[in-house]
Amino acid sequence: DTAVSQTPKYLVTQMGNDKSIKCEQNLGHDTMYWYKQDSKKFLKIMFSYNNKELIINETVPNRFSPKSPDKAHLNLHINSLELGDSAVYFCASSTGQWNEAFFGQGTRLTVV
Amino acid sequence: AQTVTQSQPEMSVQEAETVTLSCTYDTSESDYYLFWYKQPPSRQMILVIRQEAYKQQNATENRFSVNFQKAAKSFSLKISDSQLGDAAMYFCAYNTDKLIFGTGTRLQVFP
Repeated sequence: DTAVSQTPKYLVTQMGNDKSIKCEQNLGHDTMYWYKQDSKKFLKIMFSYNNKELIINETVPNRFSPKSPDKAHLNLHINSLELGDSAVYFCASSTGQWNEAFFGQGTRLTVV
Repeated sequence: AQTVTQSQPEMSVQEAETVTLSCTYDTSESDYYLFWYKQPPSRQMILVIRQEAYKQQNATENRFSVNFQKAAKSFSLKISDSQLGDAAMYFCAYNTDKLIFGTGTRLQVFP
C-alpha cells in the first residue's frame, strides 16, 4: 500500500514537448512538495503546497506549473521541455513544515 | 541563507565496522529539525533518523545514531555494525519551512 506514489516512473520525451507527472499520497498529510534531483544527486525544492495552496515557489522557470486539485494530489506540468530539464523529480508529503517528508519513488525524466 | 554542507563525497567501511558521516549547517534560527535520509540504488528516499534542535539528547534508531552539536551547527551520523544493505547515498537535511539538503555522501560497504 504505497504512501506516496508518482506516475510515471520513467519518462522519455523530445525537446519542446509538454508532459505531466502525477503524485498522490494516502497519508492524510496537508503539505506536499516537488523536488528536483540533478545528475550530481543534488536535491532542491521546487514547490510546496499546503491544503491545495501554493506556499513555496522557488526560482523555477514558468514552464513548470504545479496543480493541486485536492490535498492528496499534486501534479507537475512542464511545457516546452528542454534538455536541461532532464532529472529525477520527487514528490513528497508531510504533516507540516517542521516534520519529515515522505517521498515517492521519483520520476526519471529524460529529454532528448 | 540556510545551507547544509556534507564535506565527504564518498566514504567506505568494512562490514560490521562503524562509520561516521559528517554534516554541518548554517542557520540563524533557534528551532528547527534535522534529518538523515538514505537513497539506495532503487532511488527511493528513506528517512533514517530525525533530531529536534530543542532536544539535547542525541537521537538513536537501532544501529544509527547522531552526534548533534547545536553550538557548532554539526549533525553527524554514526552507523554501527555496518551491513551491505547500508550502501547508499546519505543526505543530511535541515528543515524550517522546507527541507534543505546537503550534497550527499556515497557510502560503500565492503564485505
